[in-house]
Amino acid sequence: EIVLTQSPAILSLSPGERATLSCRTSQSINNYLVWYQQKPGQAPRLLLYYASNRATGIPTRFSGSGFGTDFTLTISSLEPEDFATYYCQQRFNWPITFGPGTKVDI
Amino acid sequence: QVQLQQWGAGLLKPSETLSLSCAVFGGSFSGYYWSWIRQPPGMGLEWIGEISHSGRINYNLSLGSRVTISVDTSKNQFSLTLSSVTAADTAVYYCARDDSLCSAAGCLRAIDYWGQGAPVTVSS
Repeated sequence: EIVLTQSPAILSLSPGERATLSCRTSQSINNYLVWYQQKPGQAPRLLLYYASNRATGIPTRFSGSGFGTDFTLTISSLEPEDFATYYCQQRFNWPITFGPGTKVDI
Repeated sequence: QVQLQQWGAGLLKPSETLSLSCAVFGGSFSGYYWSWIRQPPGMGLEWIGEISHSGRINYNLSLGSRVTISVDTSKNQFSLTLSSVTAADTAVYYCARDDSLCSAAGCLRAIDYWGQGAPVTVSS
């Protein structure tokens, strides 16, 4: 099973600031990485796939990078609605696994 | 607009069987994988398994033989059963659509639609 670790666990920032979230995998997954956003009481929302491709309707302030085992999600300028928990997910092999999440907090 | 509506028993006793179903509205049922994911209280996401419209299945083997996912294409529905539940199975259970998203790099599956989530509590 591929294990994903995310850092930091909590990221305390203010609106307008830049957020940089990290996801690392226990083995190389090429760029078969997906990012989701989840707000309290809601289902997750798809943000990025193939590490850097924005899903339909996702604002351009969300960007992703990385290949192999190290990946980054960047929010260029935080909007109030961006304060949420972010999960990475690997789609390289089964079982599909998620990281433990990074909470972006005010 | 695709919608997934899920239902099932929310309170179980240890050793009972969890049963959840999910109906898909507003889109095609064929051509996708349909997934179950759960989230224990205050914790992260765990992938349970998936089924295609034609019945091809992949399970998270960590759940062993307790999990069964089935599909009813005549109703655009799919279901989850989890036997011999314990308190560790307490979670919000989500059904979801797993789509193949394509870019210049190729096509990769990702979950693009989710059900509303069904809280399941296992307690004696």
